[in-house]
Amino acid sequence: QSALTQPPSASGSPGQSVTISCTGTSSDVGGYDYVSWYQQHPGKAPKLMIYEVTKRASGFPDRFSGSKSGNTASLTVSGLQADDEADYYCSSYAGSTWIFGGGTKLTVL
Amino acid sequence: QVQLVESGGGVVQTGGSLRLSCAASGFTFSRYALHWVRQAPGKGLEWVAIISYDGGSKYFAASVRGRFTISRDNFKNKVFLQMNSLRAEDTAVYYCAREGHYGAYAGAFDFWGLGTVVTVSS
Repeated sequence: QSALTQPPSASGSPGQSVTISCTGTSSDVGGYDYVSWYQQHPGKAPKLMIYEVTKRASGFPDRFSGSKSGNTASLTVSGLQADDEADYYCSSYAGSTWIFGGGTKLTVL
Repeated sequence: QVQLVESGGGVVQTGGSLRLSCAASGFTFSRYALHWVRQAPGKGLEWVAIISYDGGSKYFAASVRGRFTISRDNFKNKVFLQMNSLRAEDTAVYYCAREGHYGAYAGAFDFWGLGTVVTVSS
């Protein structure tokens, strides 16, 4: 089972918005509403940001939002801040197993 | 507070074995499924395995199926990953992660440990 497809990099200036896509198949992203997103700063463990496609985890403000259309999920970060610079990973339930995206390095210019 | 602490990592030769442990505290361990997720150096996250809350269901990624086993001890609040026939491509940081359940982070990994490093060398 191949990883979900994410762009390797994304960038934006402070205050701007950026959207990161996560493309799978009907067997994972398109088949279940168990898509989640994780933020990982260098040398740290991942942190849950978004679960069940659109729900925000505790500690993450409404600047972070998730959505899904068909086999593609998206994470939007609005009002970019310096601390948003990190790696972002999507994940989807795939029927008894889970699958991650390859990760997107977000740079705040 | 919820804590997951992995241990057991180290350097092992190709073809060798290691047993990782994850000690949990701060929550009712026996109510949650636990996962192992790994991250090779400079690479992305890769899901490895899940064990259900009662140990009755276990699933593995294709890359480790038949070589790795997962188990848990609900009295000692620990989950284990037995890794056999190790290969160079198994080199990674191995994280233990709790899965939320219906009504609270369902299908997502809501708490993670800090990880333990496994290096497989020839």
